[in-house]
Amino acid sequence: DTAVSQTPKYLVTQMGNDKSIKCEQNLGHDTMYWYKQDSKKFLKIMFSYNNKELIINETVPNRFSPKSPDKAHLNLHINSLELGDSAVYFCASSLKQGGQETQYFGPGTRLLVL
Amino acid sequence: DQQVKQNSPSLSVQEGRISILNCDYTNSMFDYFLWYKKYPAEGPTFLISISSIKDKNEDGRFTVFLNKSAKHLSLHIVPSQPGDSAVYFCAASDTGTASKLTFGTGTRLQVTL
Repeated sequence: DTAVSQTPKYLVTQMGNDKSIKCEQNLGHDTMYWYKQDSKKFLKIMFSYNNKELIINETVPNRFSPKSPDKAHLNLHINSLELGDSAVYFCASSLKQGGQETQYFGPGTRLLVL
Repeated sequence: DQQVKQNSPSLSVQEGRISILNCDYTNSMFDYFLWYKKYPAEGPTFLISISSIKDKNEDGRFTVFLNKSAKHLSLHIVPSQPGDSAVYFCAASDTGTASKLTFGTGTRLQVTL
């Protein structure tokens, strides 16, 4: 009964390849996010979707394209992978209740580009 | 430009004692603050939050204090337990909710026996 799940957990690939990371949440939340944690452990928001619509896009290269087929899924597709894309990518979801909102994170996908 | 700073990369505390983790921010528009805890190979887990209209919020062993004039918040854990050993991230939002979070770089807490 995992709340926010990501696949794969680990991804090792060559420069120039295209890869996708999948995220699913079974919490019934309306909003989903992608974060990148780089080598300096800095966790930065990349995208946010609310009810399948993009609401936040934080100066991310257009090689990164999020896709939300439905409210419970937010996948991240990365074209032409570069060495600097190596990082841990976290998916999260949130629901606003009574003025309060909390984000719930997935376990992360460790991407290594060689 | 790092708007949320956790200047102590690590902290070691004895079991039973108080752990105090600090966080400073520069953006005066931030109005909602959260603390997350992260174990290795897992995603961050929400601990506690505080709105800028409050200066203190308590949940069991965890208390968050907010000093708006100093742009400073702290997380107190009393008493500290070995299971509290993890990386703690401070996060802030300027939307009044957790919808767009800016994270600090984290403080690694080690609770020793």
